[in-house]
Order: sequence, then C-alpha cells, then structure tokens
Amino acid sequence: GIQVEQSPPDLILQEGANSTLRCNFSDSVNNLQWFHQNPWGQLINLFYIPSGTKQNGRLSATTVATERYSLLYISSSQTTDSGVYFCAGEIYNFNKFYFGSGTKLNVKP
Amino acid sequence: DGGITQSPKYLFRKEGQNVTLSCEQNLNHDAMYWYRQDPGQGLRLIYYSQIVNDFQKGDIAEGYSVSREKKESFPLTVTSAQKNPTAFYLCASSYGQGYAAGNTIYFGEGSWLTVV
Repeated sequence: GIQVEQSPPDLILQEGANSTLRCNFSDSVNNLQWFHQNPWGQLINLFYIPSGTKQNGRLSATTVATERYSLLYISSSQTTDSGVYFCAGEIYNFNKFYFGSGTKLNVKP
Repeated sequence: DGGITQSPKYLFRKEGQNVTLSCEQNLNHDAMYWYRQDPGQGLRLIYYSQIVNDFQKGDIAEGYSVSREKKESFPLTVTSAQKNPTAFYLCASSYGQGYAAGNTIYFGEGSWLTVV
C-alpha cells in the first residue's frame, strides 16, 4: 500500500486563528478527499479535491497531484471546528482508499 | 433520506463469540468498504467489495469475514479468531472506479464493539 502522512498530528488554536493542515502521499493517488471526524465518530466529507483548489466558506483545500500533497486551510477557526481531520486517497484501479493518521484540532474559546 | 446505516451502534462481545455488524446503503453505490479505527488512530481497511458477490481483503482482514449478496448490504462478521476486536468500525460506500464525477467515499455513523 501507500503511506499517507498528515501534519501536524495535534494542533491547538485560539478561536479566530487560521491554520494549515498538510497531507503527503508516498505514491500517486486518485480521488483525494478531506474529512472531519466529529466527537461522535461520524466522518463528514469536506472536499473531493483530486487537483486544484476549492473553497467552502471558511475552509479551502488545494491539491498538487504532481507533488503528491494536499493542504486544508481553516480560516477564522471556531470551537465547532474541533475534531480530527483526515485525508484519504485512492490507488488507481484498486478501488482502495488509504487514510492518514489524522490531525487532531482543538479550538479554544 | 439516502445514506449508509450501520447497526448496532454499540455492541458487546464475549470472548469466543462471533458477532455481525450490519451495513446497508441506499445510495445505489457499487463499492462498499469496512474500516477499523482504534483510539487516536487512523482508519485501516478490513475488506472491500467492488460489486455484488465479489470482495477483497484489505490490510487487516485476519479474523474478519464479509459477504456481498445484495448491492445494498455488506455485513461484517468479527470472528473469535480476531484476538483484539475492541474498536470503532466504519462502513463506507462509493460509486466505484470509473465514475465520471469522481469516486467520493461516504461513511456510516460507525459501530462501537467492546469485548467483555
């Protein structure tokens, strides 16, 4: 399989601060996605971002497929942003998604 | 509403017992997956299925079994051979490879399994 490295592993922010989360892949992947896992364990889809940049409110994501990394930007963070953020990519033609270990974000009021 | 339904939400297993986790989807997805998550860790792939009556082992299939008799259903059995089954189990589905709009994976709410 492939290795998916996420950084930083833990992040503490004051409400209103901005942050950047990074995801590196050891090999080329398709269908890169970002997820937020809430305190109840539910994984919520944030972005489907195989390449380029997308924005959704205070969140945006950029994937540079040729360099095998993706970035998730959180601006003006809120306490509800707390949780664990995962990236995942699919090995081409294998229909298998591989996940990083996640970035645990704690936004303090 | 369309989505992925997992049951039960919480399950307790005695040593030596087999237990089955249910996963049903009404998204008309071809591909389905089972992942295991241990506390503070990422997701590891147990089994996946690209089409009815076909499935493949993931990275940690030992001690688990699955079936895919219907497109909508992909139950996971945790057998007594799985020595450390206490974990959070997540079922997911997607349209599969080759879907024009991209292969986005969606998750159920998960099942917590505890060995007592």
